[in-house]
Amino acid sequence: EDQVTQSPEALRLQEGESSSLNCSYTVSGLRGLFWYRQDPGKGPEFLFTLYSAGEEKEKERLKATLTKKESFLHITAPKPEDSATYLCAVQEWHSGNTPLVFGKGTRLSVIA
Amino acid sequence: DAGVTQSPTHLIKTRGQQVTLRCSPKSGHDTVSWYQQALGQGPQFIFQYYEEEERQRGNFPDRFSGHQFPNYSSELNVNALLLGDSALYLCASSYRGTKNIQYFGAGTRLSVL
Repeated sequence: EDQVTQSPEALRLQEGESSSLNCSYTVSGLRGLFWYRQDPGKGPEFLFTLYSAGEEKEKERLKATLTKKESFLHITAPKPEDSATYLCAVQEWHSGNTPLVFGKGTRLSVIA
Repeated sequence: DAGVTQSPTHLIKTRGQQVTLRCSPKSGHDTVSWYQQALGQGPQFIFQYYEEEERQRGNFPDRFSGHQFPNYSSELNVNALLLGDSALYLCASSYRGTKNIQYFGAGTRLSVL
């Protein structure tokens, strides 16, 4: 049973065309939900972490939101340099540092 | 401030060989986690080290083993390599505190022929 499902698998946008990526999750107790950006052949780069439903975080053209079942990554007026794979991961409550469970990612292409 | 560093960046091995990958955590971090990422997939958790002990392990066989040194750096060892072990191996470091954010290195690309 998948704990983290991301949609769509791939998204192609024109420069300036805003859109949203979805991450739905099923965990018994959410400690945190994380968004990462990954460029081809590189490691994931940390973007945001959200801890409770209703929380929102923003960074430049990106805004992440969280509900009890899903998270959205909103991209406003994207630029070609925003092209990357965006990964969502969840962490369950446990003593100590529990591992991240990742989705398969959304491959975003922004065309000039 | 150096981030998470991994070596080597690329590695080519043949089936049955053994490999060792290395990771230095971000300054101030005491926990190292290893992930395997196949092409087109999200990273999958292998194991995590804290205070030089393996604390948690994902669904990987005993051929995958590791070590953490007193300076918090870590090694991942894979024995009896299989073609299916070809992947990007990622190291992530974190501080065993409340925020628990994991920062990743650039990874080691392992190709098994």
